[in-house]
Amino acid sequence: SQTIHQWPATLVQPVGSPLSLECTVEGTSNPNLYWYRQAAGRGLQLLFYSVGIGQISSEVPQNLSASRPQDRQFILSSKKLLLSDSGFYLCAWRKDSYGYTFGSGTRLTVV
Amino acid sequence: QKEVEQDPGPLSVPEGAIVSLNCTYSNSAFQYFMWYRQYSRKGPELLMYTYSSGNKEDGRFTAQVDKSSKYISLFIRDSQPSDSATYLCAMSNIQGGSEKLVFGKGTKLTVNP
Repeated sequence: SQTIHQWPATLVQPVGSPLSLECTVEGTSNPNLYWYRQAAGRGLQLLFYSVGIGQISSEVPQNLSASRPQDRQFILSSKKLLLSDSGFYLCAWRKDSYGYTFGSGTRLTVV
Repeated sequence: QKEVEQDPGPLSVPEGAIVSLNCTYSNSAFQYFMWYRQYSRKGPELLMYTYSSGNKEDGRFTAQVDKSSKYISLFIRDSQPSDSATYLCAMSNIQGGSEKLVFGKGTKLTVNP
């Protein structure tokens, strides 16, 4: 069966520090992968998506970047975090034409 | 006009009530419509999906799509305290490998025992 792993679950980082969030998918090959951010009152915002290794599309200009070094690995990074980067970060993969499967999320607090 | 509009609530109902959750959208190209349930501090989980217009029923849950009105609904019958969560509508149209879901902001539902 397909599963998606996302870690860490919670992270508190100081302003200006780097960030690396990792997401891996098991039980499937060549999935479409997505990074979303969920902020209070703002819903789910698509940050990046990837249709294959090394193929990254950015949806919004921001302080973040994404990489896909392996077929089932998707990484969200930042060189210097801002207070506004706080939020709930969710990785997802497309299961079929009808919906995405989400990871359990990382709650990031920038202090 | 936002692509997807969803009343954020919050919505509080007694146990056993019928709950109606709704979304409107502006993009007539949307073909796939989904409802996700998200418990506090968890990732969203797919609850229902429908293609094009019509109804779909799964247990206590019924999803309706009215493409002519650009309006979708989720009905929960005999609501339970375990249904307390945030419900997000989502929709998409297929554009090859770059299909993306567009989400509503979510409606927070509390079912009181």
